[in-house]
Amino acid sequence: AQSVTQLGSHVSVSEGALVLLRCNYSSSVPPYLFWYVQYPNQGLQLLLKYTSAATLVKGINGFEAEFKKSETSFHLTKPSAHMSDAAEYFCAVSEGASKIIFGSGTRLSIRP
Amino acid sequence: DGGITQSPKYLFRKEGQNVTLSCEQNLNHDAMYWYRQDPGQGLRLIYYSQIVNDFQKGDIAEGYSVSREKKESFPLTVTSAQKNPTAFYLCASSIEGSSTGELFFGEGSRLTVL
Repeated sequence: AQSVTQLGSHVSVSEGALVLLRCNYSSSVPPYLFWYVQYPNQGLQLLLKYTSAATLVKGINGFEAEFKKSETSFHLTKPSAHMSDAAEYFCAVSEGASKIIFGSGTRLSIRP
Repeated sequence: DGGITQSPKYLFRKEGQNVTLSCEQNLNHDAMYWYRQDPGQGLRLIYYSQIVNDFQKGDIAEGYSVSREKKESFPLTVTSAQKNPTAFYLCASSIEGSSTGELFFGEGSRLTVL
């Protein structure tokens, strides 16, 4: 069965610092992987997705993620944090549209 | 603009009452979903529908009901049988047959039981 583990329910970084949000997955088949972002009291918005075309995936707002099969990881990074990046981030794995499993989320805070 | 509209955004309910949350989409997507979000637990699937007049239970369907009479609409009823209904509810849709499973979300409805 597929699953997603996000390490760290809360991450705090200074403005301008590197953002690293960790995600590990398990899947019995080659997975599709996603990162979604959620701002307070709003729905989720797709940041980026991995669909086996390239291991380094670039998304919106300067975020990117690297698929590492050997480590079963799909960590999200951004070189320089901005105050507007403060939100909750969800990693998800899919084996098809009706079989999407979400991680428990990581809340990102940005210190001035 | 295409998208998903959920209403109401905030809803208060007394114990023992049923409430219905609306979800409408104009993306022409075949598949629609309802998720429940609780702090620190991510999203849990309540029901999904891949086509009109058909729907399946998700992981936490007990105490909920849905209908899919039109492609555009997928309302969720939270019944009095739901033991702990206070939560944030999210509706989503996707292109049926999409192998990647990308979801498009509404802005959510927050239900509070008094």
